[in-house]
Parts: sequence; structure tokens; C-alpha cells
Amino acid sequence: DAGVTQSPTHLIKTRGQQVTLRCSPKSGHDTVSWYQQALGQGPQFIFQYYEEEERQRGNFPDRFSGHQFPNYSSELNVNALLLGDSALYLCASSSPLTGWISDTQYFGPGTRLTVL
Amino acid sequence: EDQVTQSPEALRLQEGESSSLNCSYTVSGLRGLFWYRQDPGKGPEFLFTLYSAGEEKEKERLKATLTKKESFLHITAPKPEDSATYLCAVRENSGYSTLTFGKGTMLLVSP
Repeated sequence: DAGVTQSPTHLIKTRGQQVTLRCSPKSGHDTVSWYQQALGQGPQFIFQYYEEEERQRGNFPDRFSGHQFPNYSSELNVNALLLGDSALYLCASSSPLTGWISDTQYFGPGTRLTVL
Repeated sequence: EDQVTQSPEALRLQEGESSSLNCSYTVSGLRGLFWYRQDPGKGPEFLFTLYSAGEEKEKERLKATLTKKESFLHITAPKPEDSATYLCAVRENSGYSTLTFGKGTMLLVSP
């Protein structure tokens, strides 16, 4: 059973560029959440997708946008990159189908984004 | 606003030296408290979910407990392979499953 997968593993961009990160959820999961983790910090919630719609959003600017596809995979897009966007971007999947209590989030390995 | 505070920030133990990590939280209504382990440059690995005060869960050398204001992760006779950052996260009693994380405790176990 494949877990959460993310691509690419590493990415280097320059300021002002745009980037797209990809995530495939764990088998059987239909909800995808994205988090940003700066060095030495805990993950910060960006947004969550369910049924191809953004269901909830954290305190991140509109430069951060996303999409969920019919197969539940998801993309995170960041426009006009800033130096401060350098971080580990984590995707987590969960499924509410097993009941509201059993919706533990399982994380992928992350994408390390470096903005120069 | 939800807050999660973990202490200590870093902890160095000798192999076999038991200790505890703390996670204190303030939420309007707790729906779940989660512990994760994170190795450098990797994604967090799920360990435990706790739902109500008094609940305890164990896995190998780890035991997690929950009170109304904090959670403890007890590490009994740790081994070097237990070295990692341990993250605590809370889920508020709302309709969605987003998590609020603490900054983590970096644990180093020396042989």
C-alpha cells in the first residue's frame, strides 16, 4: 500500500518565479492538506482540499493556490516567489469516510524548495 | 487562537536514560491531540492520537498521555534510533481536520 507521495524531492528557484508541487494521497484517502515547514519550526497549515474544492485556508497570501483532481491528487502553486518561501512543503492525506474520529493525517516526504 | 507549546526545545539523553517531553495546548475545544516523529529532511511519521483526558497510548518505548491542558510523551530506556524531532499537534473541535503544530522537541540519544 503506497503512502503519500510528493514530487519533486528538491527544487531550486529564483525570486519572482512560479513553482508547482505535486502530491498523491494515500490509497483510500480523499482529503489533502498542505503545510509549510520552515527550518526549526513546526508545520504551518496552508490549505485543505476535499472534493476538488478548497475547504479551509490558513494565514497564507493569495500567491499560494492549489488544485485537487478527480483522482484526489493535488497541486500546490506558489507565484512570485520570495526568499521567505524557502521551506519544506508537506502534503498530508486523510479520509473522513471512516468517521470523524479516525481522520489522522499521514504525511508525505515533502518537497524542499530553495528560493535564491 | 490555538496555541501549542512544546518543551524542552532540545533534549540530550544517554542510551537507557528515560525522560518525558511536554506539549501544552490552548484550544477552544480539543478534538484530538497528535504526536508525530520527524527525522531530518523527512515528513512527519504518525505515532499516536489522543482524544480525551486520562487517555494513554503505548508503542514500543514510547507512551503518550493526555490531560485537559497538556500531553506528555514518555520515552523509556531510549536507544540511539529514537533520535528525532517529536512534534505535537492539536485539532480543534471544528468541522475540518486541520492541525496546529508546536515547534517540536529535538531528541538526541547518545550510545
